[in-house]
Amino acid sequence: GQQLNQSPQSMFIQEGEDVSMNCTSSSIFNTWLWYKQDPGEGPVLLIALYKAGELTSNGRLTAQFGITRKDSFLNISASIPSDVGIYFCAGRWDDKIIFGKGTRLHILP
Amino acid sequence: SAVISQKPSRDICQRGTSLTIQCQVDSQVTMMFWYRQQPGQSLTLIATANQGSEATYESGFVIDKFPISRPNLTFSTLTVSNMSPEDSSIYLCSVMTGGNTEAFFGQGTRLTVV
Repeated sequence: GQQLNQSPQSMFIQEGEDVSMNCTSSSIFNTWLWYKQDPGEGPVLLIALYKAGELTSNGRLTAQFGITRKDSFLNISASIPSDVGIYFCAGRWDDKIIFGKGTRLHILP
Repeated sequence: SAVISQKPSRDICQRGTSLTIQCQVDSQVTMMFWYRQQPGQSLTLIATANQGSEATYESGFVIDKFPISRPNLTFSTLTVSNMSPEDSSIYLCSVMTGGNTEAFFGQGTRLTVV
């Protein structure tokens, strides 16, 4: 079935640094979604991408839908402590959404 | 977006018993889904909850273990039957809106089976 490869699995960064994570797949998706999950909460949608090549920003977050429709990246600029959490990419095909394994972001004091 | 409420938010259950999780949405939605998230893992789709018909289950999940109801366009339940410790997970209700392109989640139900 469809699978998403998300990397890195975890990141340890200093506050103020920029962050980059990505997802790749062997299959084409119609929509790419990026979520953040805090402990004890459900995932919260950060950015949705609908077209190949689309570049979308949401505050300090920027995400792109790859030209081949098989990949996407998420960048976070000037990280702050509340950015800590798990970030999931997700791809939609037909009426289903599947998720990557997540990138756990840690910010060092 | 949609506001999704799940109940209970957490529970500790004895093995062999069953737990029913409720999901209420603040607006009518066509697509509702149930996911499982095992500790430290990603989200795995259990089934699509279809209004007025039987749920559509993903590979590895069966109706006898995870019966689902969807009586209307704003409500669904997932039952985890005959629980074992391996069923300890977070169970998440999700709905798709925005022309069926974006998925939103409830806060999840954290289930511990002892």
